[in-house]
Amino acid sequence: QVQLVESGGGVVQPGGSLRLSCAASGFSFSSSGMHWVRQAPGKGLEWVTFIRHDESYKSYADSVKGRFTISRDNSKNSLYLQMNSLRPEDTALYYCAKDGGYWEFDSWGQGTLVTVSP
Amino acid sequence: QTVVTQEPSFSVSPGGTVTLTCGLSSGSVSTNNYPSWYQQTPGQAPRTLIHSTNTPSSGVPDRFSGSILGSKAALTITGAQADDESDYYCVLSMGGGIWLFGGGTKLTVL
Repeated sequence: QVQLVESGGGVVQPGGSLRLSCAASGFSFSSSGMHWVRQAPGKGLEWVTFIRHDESYKSYADSVKGRFTISRDNSKNSLYLQMNSLRPEDTALYYCAKDGGYWEFDSWGQGTLVTVSP
Repeated sequence: QTVVTQEPSFSVSPGGTVTLTCGLSSGSVSTNNYPSWYQQTPGQAPRTLIHSTNTPSSGVPDRFSGSILGSKAALTITGAQADDESDYYCVLSMGGGIWLFGGGTKLTVL
């Protein structure tokens, strides 16, 4: 059974940094692409970033490009999101999601909340 | 800047059929966008319903189906039930490793 557990959220001031983690289990993590998707309070879902299974390819939404960095450690079955230069509009629940291999997100974690506020 | 469009809200009667759509602000949606659909109830993580236009995810009831209707992707719920009342999101693969979510449709069953 696929399990994705995010952690690392919290309150940070504008301009600050935060690193999110996602612990994966129940599937072959080292063979799976992974995504981060976020949802601002009361708003819709927004795709943030993707990483290929072997880190050979990464892509980012324009809204986070140059500020956020996705990475992974296949030896630890873990996915990360380093967030720098945070802005109030980055306030959201951040989900990690497993790529299903057909350009879709086939499993989701429960999310970790990031609040950017003075 | 390309935007993925969805109806903000929709209403269906119990047992009725409803079709939600997913379009592009410029251009048509095709199977090459690999449309996928997600259901989200308040306070819960999204649940994957459909991928690759019309392939149901594991465990999804067969009352949910996907298609391309004209220039849009579509999610049809046939025989709506009370617990189908949720937010529904489509996602399009835009190429170049970019995915775009629609703004979501709030479905009311009453």
